[in-house]
Amino acid sequence: DSGVTQTPKHLITATGQRVTLRCSPRSGDLSVYWYQQSLDQGLQFLIQYYNGEERAKGNILERFSAQQFPDLHSELNLSSLELGDSALYFCASSVEGGIQETQYFGPGTRLLVL
Amino acid sequence: GIQVEQSPPDLILQEGANSTLRCNFSDSVNNLQWFHQNPWGQLINLFYIPSGTKQNGRLSATTVATERYSLLYISSSQTTDSGVYFCAVPVWNQGGKLIFGQGTELSVKP
Repeated sequence: DSGVTQTPKHLITATGQRVTLRCSPRSGDLSVYWYQQSLDQGLQFLIQYYNGEERAKGNILERFSAQQFPDLHSELNLSSLELGDSALYFCASSVEGGIQETQYFGPGTRLLVL
Repeated sequence: GIQVEQSPPDLILQEGANSTLRCNFSDSVNNLQWFHQNPWGQLINLFYIPSGTKQNGRLSATTVATERYSLLYISSSQTTDSGVYFCAVPVWNQGGKLIFGQGTELSVKP
């Protein structure tokens, strides 16, 4: 158990819908990362937050948005869902989001868009 | 940007065999992590190893940063070692986001 929690574990929805994925980082970690794992793209970085502020952005679609709340949990919002958004979404956390830190990954949310 | 390549892409072993997985990266790195993704999809941290050698039970890892590669050794493999092994390196000046290799899919047969 990494100490990072994600809910829900599984999500099945239809095209055009909107979903919210939730992540709680390890106790004491200030930085949260979101990654997407799809069959064709592999594991890709989406976005990073540090203590409530956006720190880095990857190839995150405009239909996707995220935020980190004062209690440090984070939410990833996916809207106008398409079939290609079906993937495993991981949240990771580290203490201060530096490059010399270990990132610990949550169990993931498996999203299926039908 | 930095490129991360893993080899081999697939590996099938008999239980008890040893194996070596390789990770090459195209630029200097300050950090390298190895992960195991089990058949249920969970990503499990194996090693944080920017340089040198570390051991944890039947697994060990070596990173030679000057030559831009890392090796993961699995000895006396067990069926529970099956899954996909990823290496990942952070990108300088981009908040530490990790760039992952494509993974090595390991299948250990009883």
